[in-house]
Order: sequence, then structure tokens, then C-alpha cells
Amino acid sequence: NAGVTQTPKFRILKIGQSMTLQCTQDMNHNYMYWYRQDPGMGLKLIYYSVGAGITDKGEVPNGYNVSRSTTEDFPLRLELAAPSQTSVYFCASSYDGPMNTEAFFGQGTRLTVV
Amino acid sequence: TQLLEQSPQFLSIQEGENLTVYCNSSSVFSSLQWYRQEPGEGPVLLVTVVTGGEVKKLKRLTFQFGDARKDSSLHITAAQPGDTGLYLCAGLQPTSGTYKYIFGTGTRLKVLA
Repeated sequence: NAGVTQTPKFRILKIGQSMTLQCTQDMNHNYMYWYRQDPGMGLKLIYYSVGAGITDKGEVPNGYNVSRSTTEDFPLRLELAAPSQTSVYFCASSYDGPMNTEAFFGQGTRLTVV
Repeated sequence: TQLLEQSPQFLSIQEGENLTVYCNSSSVFSSLQWYRQEPGEGPVLLVTVVTGGEVKKLKRLTFQFGDARKDSSLHITAAQPGDTGLYLCAGLQPTSGTYKYIFGTGTRLKVLA
């Protein structure tokens, strides 16, 4: 079991460029999440998905898009990168059900927009 | 609006000391979790508390959920350098027919040998 795998680990983008952050999990979890973590801060939810074909906005969705065509994959797309999107991005997944649910996190993608 | 406030934000203590970290909110949570995050890694779950007033112990770590399920505390006894890291609380809230985690602002702990 690899758990939650994120690629790439690091990326530098120029303003206006686009990119996709990849996230895949092999635990057959239905719930998947994308968070961003700014320096010295906690995590803020960008988007989440409760199953293949279903996505919903979190606290800070502007400037991002997601898709969930399979249970395993939950890519995050940045269309027009801005310096405000410089952050560390974490993907997570969890088992069905709201109670006593542990979220498993990937190792993060550190993105810098210059 | 930050729903979960943690205090203190930063804490630097000597090995062997005790400490308490607080997680406070005006909102009620279905359950609350504590995570520890080390540099360059994602958060890792330490514990989940579900019932108001619940106390859970994990070796030298004691977690308590407030009676009203709006706050929580993490107490570490005889801190060790290996306890160094960012501690995050996360509350589970119902939203639009499902649930999602709301993370706190984090407490960065450094334990000096």
C-alpha cells in the first residue's frame, strides 16, 4: 500500500502558467480532499469529493478546479497561476462515513509562483 | 473566518517540561481530531475524540474534548525532542449532506534537549 501519492513534490510556475497537481490513493477511499497550507498556518480546504463523479467547493476554491473520474485519482488544476497561490498543497483521503474517520495525507507539493 | 483557534501559536520548552495546547471554537463539532505534522511531511493522525468530556491517553499525550464539543486540549507530560512538530486540531462538521474537516491554525512546538 502506497497510501496517498502526490506529484510533483516541488514546482516553480510563472504567473499566468497552468499546471495540474496529481493525487492518487490505493486504499479505495471514497472521500478525497485538497488543502493548501500557507507558512505558519493550518490547512484550508480547497475542494473535496465524496466519490467518483462528485466534487464540491471548500473554503478557498477560487483559482482552482478539480475532477474525480475514478475513485483513485483527484487532480487539482491551476489555470492561471498567481503569486497568491504560492503554498504547500496537500491531498488527503478518508474512508466513507463521517465519524471516527482518519484522513490520510500525501507528502505535499510545494508550489512557488513567481 | 477561522472557526478553530489554537493557542499558543508557538511554544519552545526544555526537555522534561509539561505543556498544554488548546483548540477553541464557537461551533460544535461531531468529533475532533489531533494531528502532528513534521517538516516536509503531511499531517499524521494522533487521536479522535467523539464524546463531550471524553479523555484519551496516548503514552505521554492526554487529549480532552470539551463537554459542549466546542473545544479540546492536548497535554504533553515530560516533553521530549521527538515531540517537536506542528500540532493541528481538526473538527468534523456536517455540510451539504456530508461532513468535512475544519483545521485549526496550528501550534508549533519545539522541545530543546
